[in-house]
Amino acid sequence: GQQVMQIPQYQHVQEGEDFTTYCNSSTTLSNIQWYKQRPGGHPVFLIQLVKSGEVKKQKRLTFQFGEAKKNSSLHITATQTTDVGTYFCAGPGDDKIIFGKGTRLHILP
Amino acid sequence: DTEVTQTPKHLVMGMTNKKSLKCEQHMGHRAMYWYKQKAKKPPELMFVYSYEKLSINESVPSRFSPECPNSSLLNLHLHALQPEDSALYLCASSQNRGAWPTDTQYFGPGTRLTVL
Repeated sequence: GQQVMQIPQYQHVQEGEDFTTYCNSSTTLSNIQWYKQRPGGHPVFLIQLVKSGEVKKQKRLTFQFGEAKKNSSLHITATQTTDVGTYFCAGPGDDKIIFGKGTRLHILP
Repeated sequence: DTEVTQTPKHLVMGMTNKKSLKCEQHMGHRAMYWYKQKAKKPPELMFVYSYEKLSINESVPSRFSPECPNSSLLNLHLHALQPEDSALYLCASSQNRGAWPTDTQYFGPGTRLTVL
């Protein structure tokens, strides 16, 4: 079945360092969505990418959609403690969103 | 109003109890979802309602019974649950236009359920 693979599973970074999580699909995606879930919280929608090669920025967050629309990345510049949480990518399946397993980001002070 | 609300926040129940989880949204969304999330796992789809009709049931055991009384409300009735059903239960909604049920999900804060 359709899968959305996400790596790494965990990432520990020093505060101020950069962070990147990668998402790969077994099939071409019409779009890719990114969600953030803080510890003890619920998933919150961050962004949706639709176009091949699309790059979008939200302050220190940069989202990219691959040219083949099979992969995507989220890059955070100069991480802060508020960035702690799990970042999920999600792609459209036949009848539901397929979530990646998520990347859990820990910030070391 | 861009919020999905859920009650209760926490629920502890025995295996013989009957309880209900409630979800409400006032964004005019016409698709509503129930997800189950275990610790350190992504949300797992259970049910989808579109225009108050059950559209998708992801082979969920009958001890979970969804209900959509109107376009703003979604309930999940629980009966004879097992300890392995303990999880965070998330409600979500989406606009239900074009790309549903794969369009942007707006999640509520969830109900953390413990089954003893």
